[in-house]
Amino acid sequence: DTAVSQTPKYLVTQMGNDKSIKCEQNLGHDTMYWYKQDSKKFLKIMFSYNNKELIINETVPNRFSPKSPDKAHLNLHINSLELGDSAVYFCATALAGGPGELFFGEGSRLTVL
Amino acid sequence: GIQVEQSPPDLILQEGANSTLRCNFSDSVNNLQWFHQNPWGQLINLFYIPSGTKQNGRLSATTVATERYSLLYISSSQTTDSGVYFCAVVNSGGYQKVTFGTGTKLQVIP
Repeated sequence: DTAVSQTPKYLVTQMGNDKSIKCEQNLGHDTMYWYKQDSKKFLKIMFSYNNKELIINETVPNRFSPKSPDKAHLNLHINSLELGDSAVYFCATALAGGPGELFFGEGSRLTVL
Repeated sequence: GIQVEQSPPDLILQEGANSTLRCNFSDSVNNLQWFHQNPWGQLINLFYIPSGTKQNGRLSATTVATERYSLLYISSSQTTDSGVYFCAVVNSGGYQKVTFGTGTKLQVIP
């Protein structure tokens, strides 16, 4: 069983579309994150949720909306996709009260044409 | 916010060589972690090391939090060590925010 799984792994779509990426973890962690990795490999935090509550919301356009239906899931919905949204999006988890050690999913590569 | 810089940015090694990667951070940290991003893009946990020294096979890491740096040692490098190495820190004053370094891209050639 993969500890942190993301779907889909690859997503190719047109500008203006709306898309979602899903993340599920079976580690029992309380904290989940979305990170964006750009073409220069820089990893930047987008959002952090602790037990379904939004904790960190970095300077991210409001076209990006995270949703945590329960502690084990954190989804990322993106409206009106733009070329600059092309990147690899990583979900990560950690135990609460820290974070302690981060565990990452395998990433979802989004390409906007 | 906290700045995290890694050096060198790029490194080419002959298989079997040793190397040291450095991570400097601009403020006090609670946590520090090293990751290896392999050529397939997976982020693999190497060490969770807020302070002290740890070893795992050919890899070891040392964090001197008071001097705001961490080192990752790779001995007897193998081609499978190729990829990008990141350090990531949590600022003591921040809440659950993990900041990644700029990365070191390592290529090990046979």
